[in-house]
Amino acid sequence: EVQLVQSGAEVKKPGESLKISCKGSGYIFTNYWIGWVRQMPGKGLEWMGIIYPGDSDTKYSPSFEDQVTISADSSISTAYLQWYSLQASDTAIYYCATVPARGGWFDPWGQGTLVTVSS
Amino acid sequence: QSALTQPRSVSGSPGQSVTISCSGTSSDAGGYNYVSWYQQHPGKAPKLMIYDVTKRPSGVPDRFSGSKSGNTASLTISGLQAEDEADYYCCSYAGSYTFYVFGTGTKVTVL
Repeated sequence: EVQLVQSGAEVKKPGESLKISCKGSGYIFTNYWIGWVRQMPGKGLEWMGIIYPGDSDTKYSPSFEDQVTISADSSISTAYLQWYSLQASDTAIYYCATVPARGGWFDPWGQGTLVTVSS
Repeated sequence: QSALTQPRSVSGSPGQSVTISCSGTSSDAGGYNYVSWYQQHPGKAPKLMIYDVTKRPSGVPDRFSGSKSGNTASLTISGLQAEDEADYYCCSYAGSYTFYVFGTGTKVTVL
């Protein structure tokens, strides 16, 4: 069974850095893209970016390009989403999901990581 | 890139059919047959319901169906059931610069 397990909830202060993770199992990690999606409190889904762990090819939404860094470590089947300086507006649930091919659908999804940024 | 436009809410009685529209442009939903639909229950992760406009993943009931006409994709739920009450989002590939765009989301209420 293909499964993505994300790291636990985080509480951070503005200006702090953070790296959350998404570990894949049940499939060949380097053969599928992994996408990241943001859901702010009470709001809809927003696509942030996507990475192909096979060669680390990464694409960002123009809305997030200078805000976050997406990476992957294929040796431990894990993708990451990283911030260098969090803002209160980064408070959201962040989901990862596998994507079978560029342009394809998101399935399955991780359980989500709640990030709270507050002073 | 603007989000795809969906109605904020739709409702129906058990057994009825409801259709959710997803309006985009020729640069996203109208330009590619890569529209997918996701169901999200409160506090849960989204779940894939339809991909490539009309295809249904294994395990998704056949009362869920997808279609597209021009720049607008649609999700129809036939024979509405109580467990279908959730938020639904469309998503489209939008080319090699924007890549993906999600819809604004629709809350389905079963009366």
